[in-house]
Amino acid sequence: DTGVSQNPRHKITKRGQNVTFRCDPISEHNRLYWYRQTLGQGPEFLTYFQNEAQLEKSRLLSDRFSAERPKGSFSTLEIQRTEQGDSAMYLCASTTSSDTPISNTGELFFGEGSRLTV
Amino acid sequence: AQSVTQLGSHVSVSEGALVLLRCNYSSSVPPYLFWYVQYPNQGLQLLLKYTSAATLVKGINGFEAEFKKSETSFHLTKPSAHMSDAAEYFCAVTNNDGQNFVFGPGTRLSVLP
Repeated sequence: DTGVSQNPRHKITKRGQNVTFRCDPISEHNRLYWYRQTLGQGPEFLTYFQNEAQLEKSRLLSDRFSAERPKGSFSTLEIQRTEQGDSAMYLCASTTSSDTPISNTGELFFGEGSRLTV
Repeated sequence: AQSVTQLGSHVSVSEGALVLLRCNYSSSVPPYLFWYVQYPNQGLQLLLKYTSAATLVKGINGFEAEFKKSETSFHLTKPSAHMSDAAEYFCAVTNNDGQNFVFGPGTRLSVLP
């Protein structure tokens, strides 16, 4: 399978614990995005990387959240001291950057998500 | 700043009936627009995209959408609904460097037998 892979698919944790999610993007994709989705809502942007550089972070991303993409390949999203409000589906998506015309890129490829229950 | 609104959080149609899901966007630059579908317990999949070429865009599974700049709309249609179309549909907008994708709240489509 050469799609976007996310692990674990479901994590149940107690309030105050730390959790980490991993995303393996499509191998040739240099952009990687993290989104959060709650029931009945659309995906909300958290952060994105171009290669290993974290270029943008949403104000939704409190200081308890940290994301890394150390070698420009896989990424991790860590949530420290989890709260009940962190319960959500965490989505990862990847794509290529728009050095080429947008018509050849622009499509986000999503993983199946990691569901967090606190 | 860009934003997307989707009128109707839940739409029900009968099998064989026309499907119309509404999307309006706000963008200060020429937008690139997308429709994604999410089936239960699955990731989001691209249905179709508008990237400043033809204003009428055809996607997978018989869906199409028309970009109307004057109305800032990108409504999704399908002439005849099938039971397998039941899913959550999201409209999204980005700009020409593709850095910031903004999603709408979604519309849940139910197809009645």
